[in-house]
Amino acid sequence: QVQLQESGPGLVKPSETLSLTCTVSGASINSHYWSWIRQPPGKRLEWIGYVHYTGSTMYSPSLKGRVSISIDASRDKFSLTLDSVTAADAAVYFCARDRDRDLFGEFGLWGQGTLVRVSS
Amino acid sequence: QSVLTQPPSMSGTPGQRVTIICSGSRSNIGSNTVNWYQQRPGTAPRLLIYSYNQRPSGVPDRFSGSRSGTSASLAISGLQSEDEAEYYCAAWDASVNAVIFGGGTKVTAL
Repeated sequence: QVQLQESGPGLVKPSETLSLTCTVSGASINSHYWSWIRQPPGKRLEWIGYVHYTGSTMYSPSLKGRVSISIDASRDKFSLTLDSVTAADAAVYFCARDRDRDLFGEFGLWGQGTLVRVSS
Repeated sequence: QSVLTQPPSMSGTPGQRVTIICSGSRSNIGSNTVNWYQQRPGTAPRLLIYSYNQRPSGVPDRFSGSRSGTSASLAISGLQSEDEAEYYCAAWDASVNAVIFGGGTKVTAL
């Protein structure tokens, strides 16, 4: 059974960098698209970006310039960094995998999510 | 316009049919597939419908999806108490090059 688990600090100071890791268990990370998606309290889901197992990436234009997603296939992990955070970046952050190994955009597998607060 | 619009809430009695409409535009629903997600409180979203009307294994067949022009719909036929959740539509938007989500519809079984 494939599972995703997010990990990282639950509290980040304004202007600092948010860093999260998603650990994949039960399957290799050497296929599929791997995404980060966030959900501010009481608000809609927001796609942040993906990393393909080949290492290619795509980011939401609304976060471009501040976001980076990388993959460590040897450890079956992928990571998110978001620079210069503000209160608007406080959210539950989910990692997710696409349903089909060759298609992007159908998030068929999700981690449980991790809450990140932004406060000094 | 890169927005998907859903009604904030809908309700029905057990056994009733409930249909959620997701309104978009040519750059998203009008030209790309639509997916639907179910999210119960405090849990991660679950893929309910993909590619307009396909169900992943394990999703009951009372859930169905369709598209007409720049709108998509999710129907729950025979509403059950366990269907109480938030439902989100999502699609790729070619004008912003991103997956966008609707605002969510909270479904309540009366």
